[in-house]
Amino acid sequence: SQQGEEDPQALSIQEGENATMNCSYKTSINNLQWYRQNSGRGLVHLILIRSNEREKHSGRLRVTLDTSKKSSSLLITASRAADTASYFCATDADGNNRLAFGKGNQVVVIP
Amino acid sequence: NAGVMQNPRHLVRRRGQEARLRCSPMKGHSHVYWYRQLPEEGLKFMVYLQKENIIDESGMPKERFSAEFPKEGPSILRIQQVVRGDSAAYFCASSPRPAGDSPLHFGNGTRLTVT
Repeated sequence: SQQGEEDPQALSIQEGENATMNCSYKTSINNLQWYRQNSGRGLVHLILIRSNEREKHSGRLRVTLDTSKKSSSLLITASRAADTASYFCATDADGNNRLAFGKGNQVVVIP
Repeated sequence: NAGVMQNPRHLVRRRGQEARLRCSPMKGHSHVYWYRQLPEEGLKFMVYLQKENIIDESGMPKERFSAEFPKEGPSILRIQQVVRGDSAAYFCASSPRPAGDSPLHFGNGTRLTVT
């Protein structure tokens, strides 16, 4: 089964607002990663958070990880129109040194 | 340092023809992954290769699909006798270490349309 289920599936916000999306997974992981995909392009890595970390920041991005609840959240602060994209979480829970991706969150930032 | 290069970007094939998708990983990356993406869907793992070796092909259909990553040259995903259900975007990604411990670098994909 596909690891990593994002919630909500689609989000529409005004520029300047914060966007929060969640990801849940089913089995133990070593790390969890978030990626962004712009329309018609490949995925771009955003953040990797390890299972012994609870929070990580990168610019306007903040990722949390709660291994007891098997969930992670991605927060984008002060959103910009350029943040419009689909966001995916991915875990190594399937083992075998590969990543399993969720179905993604579509975020639209209205200027 | 060039990123992951995939070609062609768009490929149109008639049912029954063969499709060959190419992927050149980033310099210094020996781990290559192929994923398939349908519209409004996430990425489905297909195959994981290292130079000259298939490490994990558990996501690849047993028939008509094959992949290779030769000592020299790009990785190739080959689909024989394509059917309409093969229409999708195919993404290649590379990393310097196994993906479980390292971010993946993706190409911009090959969009296959089967008519």
